[in-house]
Amino acid sequence: GAVVSQHPSRVICKSGTSVKIECRSLDFQATTMFWYRQFPKQSLMLMATSNEGSKATYEQGVEKDKFLINHASLTLSTLTVTSAHPEDSSFYICSTDPIGAKNIQYFGAGTRLSVL
Amino acid sequence: GQSLEQPSEVTAVEGAIVQINCTYQTSGFYGLSWYQQHDGGAPTFLSYNALDGLEETGRFSSFLSRSDSYGYLLLQELQMKDSASYFCAVMDSSYKLIFGSGTRLLVRP
Repeated sequence: GAVVSQHPSRVICKSGTSVKIECRSLDFQATTMFWYRQFPKQSLMLMATSNEGSKATYEQGVEKDKFLINHASLTLSTLTVTSAHPEDSSFYICSTDPIGAKNIQYFGAGTRLSVL
Repeated sequence: GQSLEQPSEVTAVEGAIVQINCTYQTSGFYGLSWYQQHDGGAPTFLSYNALDGLEETGRFSSFLSRSDSYGYLLLQELQMKDSASYFCAVMDSSYKLIFGSGTRLLVRP
């Protein structure tokens, strides 16, 4: 069964609006979750590491004020794309490492964001 | 910088064996992983090598040579459903998973 639940699977929004993506760990507690972005036919790029109860760690070049991450509980991390623009259109995927081995990550189903 | 090199595309016939290579250059190394991703779907974990040698999991095997900074994924008895993108990934010194550019595998009848 699924280890990580991600919603919504797809969202279409107007430019300038904000979109929230949820990532839930199922049947286990996740102190750390990872957020990736993937453009068509490209690799997964780590955006940030979400840490329960503390601030997220952002990768170089990722605007923390634009991509707000909240990890308020041990089972839920959210990514909010603020003031979305067409260039933010992408596939956003969360993951976690339920057995504590960061080499072995389990991914959510992903969210395809289309900004008009 | 950090880089993982994989072939961009591989084509093989159903029932055949295919090998997808991965060479890496990263700041630190804590293992090589392989993930499969079907179009529009999420990556799924396939295999992991921390030490040199071959790891076998059913039809899939993965190999690692740390001295050569090289690994490969071997897929046997190819099936149509194996058509997907395959990514190698390395855990670097910051304990972050760095993904390769991916190899699109097309399995033909």
